[in-house]
Amino acid sequence: DQQVKQNSPSLSVQEGRISILNCDYTNSMFDYFLWYKKYPAEGPTFLISISSIKDKNEDGRFTVFLNKSAKHLSLHIVPSQPGDSAVYFCAASTFGNEKLTFGTGTRLTIIP
Amino acid sequence: GAGVSQSPRYKVTKRGQDVTLRCDPISSHATLYWYQQALGQGPEFLTYFNYEAQPDKSGLPSDRFSAERPEGSISTLTIQRTEQRDSAMYRCASSLAPTGYNEQFFGPGTRLTVL
Repeated sequence: DQQVKQNSPSLSVQEGRISILNCDYTNSMFDYFLWYKKYPAEGPTFLISISSIKDKNEDGRFTVFLNKSAKHLSLHIVPSQPGDSAVYFCAASTFGNEKLTFGTGTRLTIIP
Repeated sequence: GAGVSQSPRYKVTKRGQDVTLRCDPISSHATLYWYQQALGQGPEFLTYFNYEAQPDKSGLPSDRFSAERPEGSISTLTIQRTEQRDSAMYRCASSLAPTGYNEQFFGPGTRLTVL
């Protein structure tokens, strides 16, 4: 049972445009959500997070939106740059439970 | 250290052999996690430690899997009597404190292949 779903395995976006990566979850107990970015041959690196008391969190070119009623979050990257090409994982956790539950990832390719 | 390190980076073993994987977390980090990642999937939780305590090992797939962190720093994951289905990337992560809402820092992983 996949509790965190990333339904798009891949996404291609023109350089300079907006990239939107989506993530859905089924467990209503999740209250903290994270996005990780992964380059080949490296471990995932933390990108941005949001707690369930917020519906938006911004950090430079990266914004995460949370829609609790729809159990949906999205990551917006504006403007997209070639260095953003990577696999992006959505992850979720519950306060007091240390483990992260990951989605299957979306491979983002930025076209120059 | 500067980041989470894992060794070996690659391990090839024959079915039935035991393997031990090592994780060296960021030195100030209290909490250490082990994940298993199959090809094309996200990491899946195996177990975690707060210092040397192991509060949750619910993700370990069988009793052939065990993990230790005896001094609250370096951790090992041991798989006994390996099977082909154990082939995966094994990732270690650490975080600063054993409370919620701490980002986890991942190591590069150990790619295990069981022949």
